[in-house]
Amino acid sequence: AQTVTQSQPEMSVQEAETVTLSCTYDTSESDYYLFWYKQPPSRQMILVIRQEAYKQQNATENRFSVNFQKAAKSFSLKISDSQLGDAAMYFCAYRMLTGTASKLTFGTGTRLQVTL
Amino acid sequence: DTGVSQDPRHKITKRGQNVTFRCDPISEHNRLYWYRQTLGQGPEFLTYFQNEAQLEKSRLLSDRFSAERPKGSFSTLEIQRTEQGDSAMYLCASSPSSGSFYEQYFGPGTRLTVT
Repeated sequence: AQTVTQSQPEMSVQEAETVTLSCTYDTSESDYYLFWYKQPPSRQMILVIRQEAYKQQNATENRFSVNFQKAAKSFSLKISDSQLGDAAMYFCAYRMLTGTASKLTFGTGTRLQVTL
Repeated sequence: DTGVSQDPRHKITKRGQNVTFRCDPISEHNRLYWYRQTLGQGPEFLTYFQNEAQLEKSRLLSDRFSAERPKGSFSTLEIQRTEQGDSAMYLCASSPSSGSFYEQYFGPGTRLTVT
């Protein structure tokens, strides 16, 4: 079974600074997707960034980028120029490439605080 | 708004009562998922529909849980004889069945408290 581990329950960053959230996963599959989701307080979860395992290039979405290390099964999220609106729970998630379910397997989350 | 909607947003019930939650997916999405999120945890997969067919159920979905998606549109999740351990946020998500990513769009969730 696939597992996703987020070892940082809480992180804090000052506004305009950079922060990196860690995620490791375990799978026997060679092709899969990895995601970072953001869950603001009392608001719905939204997709921040995604990475296909067969792509070597790290995904980037504006201020958000990932460091994908397939051999190490590591998938960290870097947030640059942090903003107050980035404060939220961040979940790393895994999904198989094949199969009909395409269910997501989530980590336990990292709560990010952004301070002035 | 054309996002995923869930009703009710909050439900407080006494142990032993039955509860039913509703999810309305994005209209053109034919895949619908239910997840459960307990405090301090990430969402855990419960079940999945493609159109009206329930294609996968997690072992987390005990016999007291039943989900339906009649006509492949909205879905309901019913919990019978609720227990305190059922207290959680129940999330619904929908996705298209075409394209590479089948990106899942989440609703705001229904928070269940069993007293």
